[in-house]
Amino acid sequence: DIVMTQSPESLAVSLGERATINCKSSQNVLFNLAWYQQNPGQSPKLLIYWASTRESGVPDRFSASGSGTDFSLTISSLQAGDVAVYYCQQYYSTPWTFGQGTKVEIK
Amino acid sequence: QVQLQQWGAGLLKPSETLSLTCAVYGGSFSGYYWNWIRQSPGRGLDWIGEINHAGSTSYNPSLKSRVSMSVEMSDNQFSLRLTSVTAADTAVYYCARRKFTPKNSPGSSFDLWGRGTLVAVSS
Repeated sequence: DIVMTQSPESLAVSLGERATINCKSSQNVLFNLAWYQQNPGQSPKLLIYWASTRESGVPDRFSASGSGTDFSLTISSLQAGDVAVYYCQQYYSTPWTFGQGTKVEIK
Repeated sequence: QVQLQQWGAGLLKPSETLSLTCAVYGGSFSGYYWNWIRQSPGRGLDWIGEINHAGSTSYNPSLKSRVSMSVEMSDNQFSLRLTSVTAADTAVYYCARRKFTPKNSPGSSFDLWGRGTLVAVSS
């Protein structure tokens, strides 16, 4: 199985400031990576696919980059509604696997 | 707007069989893989398996011996069965959709999720 490792496990950022989450895969997954946002009490929501393509309706303060084994998600200006747990997921090969999640909070 | 609505028993005893169903409303059933994913505090998000409209399946090897999935195309529904449950199977179970991709090629992201069903296993 491809192991996805996210860092940090949690981070606290002031409103309007930048938040960056990293994701590392144990094998090369090319660009086959997605990012999800899970707000408290809700199901995950797709933010990014193909490593850097925003899903329709996702605000442009969310951006992502990377390929191969190293990826990142950036929230350029944190808003209150961005408080959530963020997950990366590889879909290069089955079983599809997720990172353990990064909790983003307001400082 | 396409929605996934899921249901099933929320409380099971050890050794019983978990059974969940997910219905697709407002959209096409073909052209996608229909997935089950679970989330527990200790294990995060775990992919259980998927099925397409023709009944072609792929299961996580870690659960393969206990999992089966089926489709009912006439009702735009798909189902999950997990046998011989234990406390370790306690989790929120989600149904989710991803666009069809050929076998033995990279997949696609999960672009639509159900609301989740909490399943607890306790004697």
